[in-house]
Amino acid sequence: SQTIHQWPATLVQPVGSPLSLECTVEGTSNPNLYWYRQAAGRGLQLLFYSVGIGQISSEVPQNLSASRPQDRQFILSSKKLLLSDSGFYLCAWRKGGQDIYGYTFGSGTRLTVV
Amino acid sequence: AQSVAQPEDQVNVAEGNPLTVKCTYSVSGNPYLFWYVQYPNRGLQFLLKYITGDNLVKGSYGFEAEFNKSQTSFHLKKPSALVSDSALYFCAVRAILMNTGFQKLVFGTGTRLLVSP
Repeated sequence: SQTIHQWPATLVQPVGSPLSLECTVEGTSNPNLYWYRQAAGRGLQLLFYSVGIGQISSEVPQNLSASRPQDRQFILSSKKLLLSDSGFYLCAWRKGGQDIYGYTFGSGTRLTVV
Repeated sequence: AQSVAQPEDQVNVAEGNPLTVKCTYSVSGNPYLFWYVQYPNRGLQFLLKYITGDNLVKGSYGFEAEFNKSQTSFHLKKPSALVSDSALYFCAVRAILMNTGFQKLVFGTGTRLLVSP
Protein backbone atom coordinates (compact mmCIF):
# COMPACT_ATOMS: atom_id res chain seq x y z
CA SER A 1 0.00 0.00 0.00
CA GLN A 2 1.02 3.57 -0.52
CA THR A 3 2.24 5.72 2.34
CA ILE A 4 3.55 9.24 2.63
CA HIS A 5 6.12 10.36 5.18
CA GLN A 6 6.82 13.91 6.15
CA TRP A 7 9.40 15.19 8.64
CA PRO A 8 10.13 16.75 10.95
CA ALA A 9 6.79 17.03 12.70
CA THR A 10 7.68 20.31 14.40
CA LEU A 11 10.44 22.81 13.86
CA VAL A 12 11.42 26.06 15.53
CA GLN A 13 13.90 28.09 13.54
CA PRO A 14 15.34 31.60 13.94
CA VAL A 15 14.78 34.25 11.33
CA GLY A 16 17.45 34.10 8.66
CA SER A 17 18.23 30.42 9.12
CA PRO A 18 17.88 27.84 6.33
CA LEU A 19 15.04 25.35 6.03
CA SER A 20 14.69 21.86 4.64
CA LEU A 21 11.48 19.85 4.92
CA GLU A 22 11.32 16.43 3.38
CA CYS A 23 8.48 14.34 2.04
CA THR A 24 8.70 10.82 0.64
CA VAL A 25 6.10 8.54 -0.86
CA GLU A 26 6.24 4.76 -0.82
CA GLY A 27 4.41 2.16 -2.79
CA THR A 28 3.89 4.03 -6.01
CA SER A 29 5.86 5.45 -8.89
CA ASN A 30 5.80 8.78 -10.69
CA PRO A 31 3.36 10.42 -8.30
CA ASN A 32 2.19 14.00 -8.64
CA LEU A 33 3.54 15.79 -5.58
CA TYR A 34 2.38 18.94 -3.84
CA TRP A 35 3.44 21.28 -1.05
CA TYR A 36 0.66 23.20 0.69
CA ARG A 37 0.89 25.72 3.50
CA GLN A 38 -1.78 26.32 6.07
CA ALA A 39 -1.60 29.61 7.94
CA ALA A 40 -3.32 30.28 11.25
CA GLY A 41 -5.03 26.89 11.26
CA ARG A 42 -7.23 27.69 8.31
CA GLY A 43 -7.12 27.71 4.55
CA LEU A 44 -4.55 25.79 2.56
CA GLN A 45 -2.51 27.43 -0.13
CA LEU A 46 -0.72 25.47 -2.82
CA LEU A 47 2.96 26.42 -2.90
CA PHE A 48 4.59 24.00 -5.33
CA TYR A 49 3.72 21.00 -7.42
CA SER A 50 5.72 18.50 -9.39
CA VAL A 51 4.88 15.99 -12.12
CA GLY A 52 8.30 14.37 -12.25
CA ILE A 53 11.94 14.43 -11.22
CA GLY A 54 13.38 17.90 -11.52
CA GLN A 55 10.04 19.36 -12.66
CA ILE A 56 8.82 21.97 -10.19
CA SER A 57 6.18 24.61 -10.64
CA SER A 58 5.43 27.38 -8.21
CA GLU A 59 1.97 28.72 -7.54
CA VAL A 60 2.90 31.88 -5.68
CA PRO A 61 6.08 33.92 -5.39
CA GLN A 62 7.68 33.53 -2.02
CA ASN A 63 10.77 32.94 0.02
CA LEU A 64 10.67 29.20 -0.50
CA SER A 65 11.83 26.76 -3.13
CA ALA A 66 11.17 23.11 -3.84
CA SER A 67 13.11 20.29 -5.40
CA ARG A 68 12.43 16.74 -6.48
CA PRO A 69 15.76 14.94 -6.64
CA GLN A 70 14.17 11.48 -6.79
CA ASP A 71 10.87 10.18 -8.08
CA ARG A 72 9.27 9.87 -4.68
CA GLN A 73 11.07 12.60 -2.78
CA PHE A 74 9.92 16.19 -2.52
CA ILE A 75 11.87 18.79 -0.56
CA LEU A 76 10.82 22.25 0.54
CA SER A 77 13.65 24.67 1.24
CA SER A 78 14.57 28.19 2.12
CA LYS A 79 17.94 29.90 2.30
CA LYS A 80 16.79 32.48 4.85
CA LEU A 81 13.56 32.12 6.78
CA LEU A 82 11.21 35.00 7.41
CA LEU A 83 8.71 35.35 10.23
CA SER A 84 5.96 35.10 7.65
CA ASP A 85 7.13 31.60 6.71
CA SER A 86 5.63 30.24 9.94
CA GLY A 87 2.79 27.83 9.35
CA PHE A 88 1.77 24.25 8.93
CA TYR A 89 3.26 22.65 5.84
CA LEU A 90 1.59 19.71 4.22
CA CYS A 91 2.92 17.44 1.53
CA ALA A 92 0.49 15.52 -0.64
CA TRP A 93 0.65 13.05 -3.48
CA ARG A 94 -1.68 11.86 -6.15
CA LYS A 95 -1.43 9.18 -8.77
CA GLY A 96 -1.21 10.95 -12.09
CA GLY A 97 -3.44 10.34 -15.07
CA GLN A 98 -7.00 9.61 -14.06
CA ASP A 99 -9.39 11.92 -12.31
CA ILE A 100 -10.68 9.23 -10.02
CA TYR A 101 -7.45 9.23 -8.06
CA GLY A 102 -7.63 11.18 -4.85
CA TYR A 103 -5.04 13.11 -2.94
CA THR A 104 -3.25 11.75 0.13
CA PHE A 105 -1.70 14.11 2.63
CA GLY A 106 1.21 13.69 4.98
CA SER A 107 0.95 14.41 8.67
CA GLY A 108 2.41 17.88 8.30
CA THR A 109 5.25 19.97 9.71
CA ARG A 110 4.56 22.79 12.14
CA LEU A 111 7.16 25.48 11.44
CA THR A 112 7.61 28.37 13.84
CA VAL A 113 10.05 31.07 12.85
CA VAL A 114 11.23 33.12 15.83
CA ALA B 1 -11.52 29.94 -11.76
CA GLN B 2 -12.62 27.04 -9.63
CA SER B 3 -13.40 27.84 -6.04
CA VAL B 4 -15.33 26.62 -3.03
CA ALA B 5 -16.88 28.57 -0.20
CA GLN B 6 -17.54 27.42 3.31
CA PRO B 7 -19.84 30.08 4.76
CA GLU B 8 -19.60 28.98 8.39
CA ASP B 9 -16.44 29.40 10.43
CA GLN B 10 -17.85 27.15 13.11
CA VAL B 11 -20.73 24.74 13.55
CA ASN B 12 -21.91 23.66 16.98
CA VAL B 13 -24.01 20.57 17.47
CA ALA B 14 -24.95 18.33 20.37
CA GLU B 15 -23.86 14.72 20.37
CA GLY B 16 -26.48 12.49 18.79
CA ASN B 17 -27.96 15.26 16.68
CA PRO B 18 -27.56 15.43 12.91
CA LEU B 19 -24.88 17.73 11.56
CA THR B 20 -24.42 19.64 8.33
CA VAL B 21 -21.31 21.48 7.19
CA LYS B 22 -21.99 23.65 4.18
CA CYS B 23 -19.99 24.04 1.00
CA THR B 24 -20.81 25.75 -2.27
CA TYR B 25 -18.70 25.60 -5.38
CA SER B 26 -17.98 27.56 -8.50
CA VAL B 27 -16.51 25.67 -11.44
CA SER B 28 -16.53 25.60 -15.17
CA GLY B 29 -17.42 22.16 -16.40
CA ASN B 30 -18.12 19.15 -14.23
CA PRO B 31 -17.06 19.56 -10.61
CA TYR B 32 -14.86 17.09 -8.80
CA LEU B 33 -15.49 17.74 -5.13
CA PHE B 34 -13.86 16.49 -1.96
CA TRP B 35 -14.22 16.66 1.80
CA TYR B 36 -11.26 16.36 4.16
CA VAL B 37 -11.04 16.42 7.94
CA GLN B 38 -8.14 17.73 10.00
CA TYR B 39 -7.53 16.98 13.65
CA PRO B 40 -5.21 19.32 15.64
CA ASN B 41 -1.65 19.34 14.32
CA ARG B 42 -2.40 16.54 11.93
CA GLY B 43 -2.54 16.18 8.18
CA LEU B 44 -5.75 16.09 6.21
CA GLN B 45 -7.71 12.87 6.10
CA PHE B 46 -9.87 12.07 3.13
CA LEU B 47 -13.57 11.65 3.87
CA LEU B 48 -15.29 11.39 0.54
CA LYS B 49 -15.40 12.65 -3.01
CA TYR B 50 -17.87 13.27 -5.80
CA ILE B 51 -16.72 12.62 -9.34
CA THR B 52 -19.86 11.45 -11.07
CA GLY B 53 -22.87 9.26 -10.41
CA ASP B 54 -25.21 9.31 -7.43
CA ASN B 55 -25.74 12.68 -5.84
CA LEU B 56 -25.48 11.18 -2.36
CA VAL B 57 -21.92 10.14 -1.65
CA LYS B 58 -21.07 8.00 1.34
CA GLY B 59 -17.68 8.26 2.97
CA SER B 60 -15.61 7.43 6.01
CA TYR B 61 -16.73 7.53 9.65
CA GLY B 62 -20.43 7.63 8.75
CA PHE B 63 -20.22 10.89 6.83
CA GLU B 64 -22.02 11.55 3.60
CA ALA B 65 -22.38 14.48 1.26
CA GLU B 66 -25.09 15.55 -1.11
CA PHE B 67 -24.19 16.98 -4.48
CA ASN B 68 -26.76 19.50 -5.67
CA LYS B 69 -26.05 20.84 -9.12
CA SER B 70 -28.85 23.41 -9.19
CA GLN B 71 -27.71 24.93 -5.92
CA THR B 72 -24.01 24.34 -6.64
CA SER B 73 -23.64 22.83 -3.20
CA PHE B 74 -21.86 19.87 -1.68
CA HIS B 75 -22.87 19.83 1.98
CA LEU B 76 -21.34 17.35 4.38
CA LYS B 77 -23.75 15.50 6.64
CA LYS B 78 -23.92 12.93 9.37
CA PRO B 79 -27.12 11.60 10.91
CA SER B 80 -25.79 11.40 14.47
CA ALA B 81 -22.77 13.43 15.60
CA LEU B 82 -20.09 12.15 17.95
CA VAL B 83 -17.86 14.18 20.22
CA SER B 84 -14.92 12.64 18.37
CA ASP B 85 -16.15 14.27 15.15
CA SER B 86 -14.96 17.62 16.50
CA ALA B 87 -12.34 18.81 14.04
CA LEU B 88 -11.68 21.17 11.15
CA TYR B 89 -13.43 20.25 7.91
CA PHE B 90 -12.35 21.34 4.45
CA CYS B 91 -14.26 21.26 1.22
CA ALA B 92 -12.16 21.22 -1.94
CA VAL B 93 -12.59 21.25 -5.70
CA ARG B 94 -10.29 20.00 -8.39
CA ALA B 95 -8.83 22.71 -10.59
CA ILE B 96 -6.92 22.37 -13.80
CA LEU B 97 -3.93 24.67 -14.25
CA MET B 98 -4.41 26.14 -17.68
CA ASN B 99 -0.77 26.53 -18.58
CA THR B 100 0.20 22.96 -17.72
CA GLY B 101 -3.00 20.93 -17.52
CA PHE B 102 -1.86 19.87 -14.08
CA GLN B 103 -4.42 19.14 -11.41
CA LYS B 104 -4.56 20.66 -7.97
CA LEU B 105 -7.03 20.95 -5.14
CA VAL B 106 -8.47 24.32 -4.24
CA PHE B 107 -9.64 24.38 -0.65
CA GLY B 108 -12.26 26.32 1.22
CA THR B 109 -11.32 28.21 4.37
CA GLY B 110 -12.48 25.40 6.61
CA THR B 111 -15.28 24.96 9.12
CA ARG B 112 -14.63 24.05 12.71
CA LEU B 113 -17.10 21.50 14.01
CA LEU B 114 -17.65 21.35 17.74
CA VAL B 115 -19.76 18.49 19.07
CA SER B 116 -20.78 18.90 22.68
CA PRO B 117 -21.48 15.94 24.98
